[in-house]
Amino acid sequence: DSGVTQTPKHLITATGQRVTLRCSPRSGDLSVYWYQQSLDQGLQFLIQYYNGEERAKGNILERFSAQQFPDLHSELNLSSLELGDSALYFCASSAISSPSEQFFGPGTRLTVL
Amino acid sequence: AQSVAQPEDQVNVAEGNPLTVKCTYSVSGNPYLFWYVQYPNRGLQFLLKYITGDNLVKGSYGFEAEFNKSQTSFHLKKPSALVSDSALYFCAAQTDSWGKLQFGAGTQVVVTP
Repeated sequence: DSGVTQTPKHLITATGQRVTLRCSPRSGDLSVYWYQQSLDQGLQFLIQYYNGEERAKGNILERFSAQQFPDLHSELNLSSLELGDSALYFCASSAISSPSEQFFGPGTRLTVL
Repeated sequence: AQSVAQPEDQVNVAEGNPLTVKCTYSVSGNPYLFWYVQYPNRGLQFLLKYITGDNLVKGSYGFEAEFNKSQTSFHLKKPSALVSDSALYFCAAQTDSWGKLQFGAGTQVVVTP
């Protein structure tokens, strides 16, 4: 168990809908990262937050947004969903002393029908 | 552009034989390199990292990796593979000071009894 929790585990929704994925980092970790894993794109970095502030952006679509709250949990919002958004979404957290040693949550599997 | 390549989609090895998973990188400056493993229906787990120093890095579960600057490679090795090592392995490079990771496409390792 990495100490990172993600909810829900599975999400099935329809095209055009909006969903919110939630992540709670390991105790004490200030950095949260979001990744998307799909068969055709592999594992892609989406966005990173550190102590509530956005620090880095990757291949995140404009339809997607994220935030990190004062209690350090993070949410990834996906809107106007398309079939191609079906993927595993991972959250990871790290300590500032070892930013690349990231601890991954179990992921949320999103299926868009 | 910074990139990480894993040239093999799958590596097959018999239990007890040596295991090697290949990774090459193209990053600017001194690379920070990592290996992660993903077991079925689980998030990624950190295996080991190279920051600086000894080119041979030891990690979890008996894995080690050899950094070769001239060949820009960071191959993962295990002297004697176990069936339980069957998983998806990702090589990654840190691409900014905040810990953003660029992952390779992943290599599926299948260890047969």
